[in-house]
This record gives sequence, C-alpha cells and structure tokens, in this order.
Amino acid sequence: QQQVKQSPQSLIVQKGGISIINCAYENTAFDYFPWYQQFPGKGPALLIAIRPDVSEKKEGRFTISFNKSAKQFSLHIMDSQPGDSATYFCAATRPGTYKYIFGTGTRLKVLA
Amino acid sequence: DAGVTQSPTHLIKTRGQQVTLRCSPISGHKSVSWYQQVLGQGPQFIFQYYEKEERGRGNFPDRFSARQFPNYSSELNVNALLLGDSALYLCASSSGLNFNEQFFGPGTRLTVL
Repeated sequence: QQQVKQSPQSLIVQKGGISIINCAYENTAFDYFPWYQQFPGKGPALLIAIRPDVSEKKEGRFTISFNKSAKQFSLHIMDSQPGDSATYFCAATRPGTYKYIFGTGTRLKVLA
Repeated sequence: DAGVTQSPTHLIKTRGQQVTLRCSPISGHKSVSWYQQVLGQGPQFIFQYYEKEERGRGNFPDRFSARQFPNYSSELNVNALLLGDSALYLCASSSGLNFNEQFFGPGTRLTVL
C-alpha cells in the first residue's frame, strides 16, 4: 500500500513533442503528489505538485493531471526541449508527515 | 537565499568505517529529512527531524542515526559501512508549515570500497 508505481522507465521524445509520465498509488491517505526533476549528480528539484481536491494543475509547460477515483496522476511536458532531458520522479505523502514515497523514476531524453 | 547545502560533496570510505554527512536547511526551515538514493532508483526515506526531534524513521538498520542541532542543521551518521551503503545521500528541508513541500540539496555521493 505504500508503493508508487511509475511508468515508463524511459522515454524518448522529439523536440517540441509532449512527454507523458504516469504514476499510480494505492494508499488513499496520500494527499500530496509532487513531481521532481533530477539531473545526473544533482539533487531532485521540485517541479510541480498537486493535491487530490483538483484534477489538473498547470505551471508553464508542465501539467499534472490527477484522477482520484483511479488513484493515478501524470506529468505532461508540453513542447519538450533537449534541456528537459533528465530523470523525473513522482512522489506521494500523507498528511502530517514529510516521508515521501518516490516512484522508480523515468529517464526522459528529448531529441534535438 | 541559499538553498539546502550538504557537505561533503563526495566521500570514499572502506567497509567497516563510519561516516558523518552534514546538511544545512533553507533559512527559516525547521524540518530536515534524509533520503538514500541508490543509482537508478528513487530516493528512500531514512529520517525526518522537526524542531530537533525525530519525527519519522524509514526501514533502515540501527547503523544509521541522525540528529538536528539548535540552528536546524543536521548530521547523518552511518556506522560499520557496507558496500551496499554506496549511494547519493540527500537532505531535504521544509518549513514545517503549509503543505508538504520539500526542497532537496545536491546530495553527498558516498562510495564504500
């Protein structure tokens, strides 16, 4: 029940295309779902996050779609750029704790 | 404002040795969490400290310990190092208020030979 399953493991997208990464969870107590971007040798950087009371959140080229009934959420990167090439992690956490449960990561490569 | 800082950047130890990793949270943040990230995997939660008290512990052996100081900086100690402890150790800070936003530092790369 503590797992967050992330797919795909790797993704190759042409420049200007849409990158889509999916995550699924089981624990309905989770109430905060952030996405992180990580470059090699660096710490994860917070990209965007959502709570279950909204179905979509958009910040610039990044959008989170959230489906509470299906217990799934996804990250969409619009107009993908080579600089977006990185590993992306979804995560989830419960109220009153900072223990994040991370997905296994998606390695994105955007071709120029 | 400076982000989360960690030291050292890299560290090489041999099996059986002990290591201390350090973290300074974002100014004003009172919560520090530690994560272990093995190559190719997502970070795994080790500890969370808030206001100098341990508030959460992950599924790690007692060889791992941590503490938080009055200035909210933190240390992670690992005793009797094993080869499997080789990883990127991440520190994350949070204000302790308003949602669950955590901000990660650059990490300390620990290699155990």
